[in-house]
Amino acid sequence: AQSVTQLGSHVSVSEGALVLLRCNYSSSVPPYLFWYVQYPNQGLQLLLKYTTGATLVKGINGFEAEFKKSETSFHLTKPSAHMSDAAEYFCAVTPRGSQGNLIFGKGTKLSVKP
Amino acid sequence: DAGVIQSPRHEVTEMGQEVTLRCKPISGHDYLFWYRQTMMRGLELLIYFNNNVPIDDSGMPEDRFSAKMPNASFSTLKIQPSEPRDSAVYFCASTRDRGEYNEQFFGPGTRLTVL
Repeated sequence: AQSVTQLGSHVSVSEGALVLLRCNYSSSVPPYLFWYVQYPNQGLQLLLKYTTGATLVKGINGFEAEFKKSETSFHLTKPSAHMSDAAEYFCAVTPRGSQGNLIFGKGTKLSVKP
Repeated sequence: DAGVIQSPRHEVTEMGQEVTLRCKPISGHDYLFWYRQTMMRGLELLIYFNNNVPIDDSGMPEDRFSAKMPNASFSTLKIQPSEPRDSAVYFCASTRDRGEYNEQFFGPGTRLTVL
């Protein structure tokens, strides 16, 4: 069965610093990969996704992620954190060709210090 | 465009009562998903529909939970009887099949508290 591991339930960075949120997946075949963001008391919003093609994908709000098959990873980065980036971030996977089950990691809460 | 609409946004009820959560997907979307979010278990899929037909309900916790989609613009998730351990945020999401994986759009969620 597929699973997703997000290393670190809480990450704190200073404004302007690099943001790095880690995600590893477990699957014999590389799945589709996603990052979602959840602001307080709101639903989830898609940041970016990887399905095929270029392994470095760019998303909204300056975020990007790189799919590394050899490391079974899909880490999320942003060069310079902004106060408005404070939220919870979820990595998710779904089997290729699937329209169904999104399997989520436990989430990483990002805090940004002034 | 209106996004996914969920009602109520907050529900507080007592153990043993029936609870009904409602969802209106984005117009034209043919997939609808119900998720539950708790501190202990994170986000987990409960059930999803395609063209109003339930496809996978393996995530539904037990017989106390039921979901219906009587038409393309409305779905309900019912808990009867409710228990304190059902307290969670319930999200509805929808998407449209375009031949490859498509973004699921999430509603704002219903925060359920069972006392």
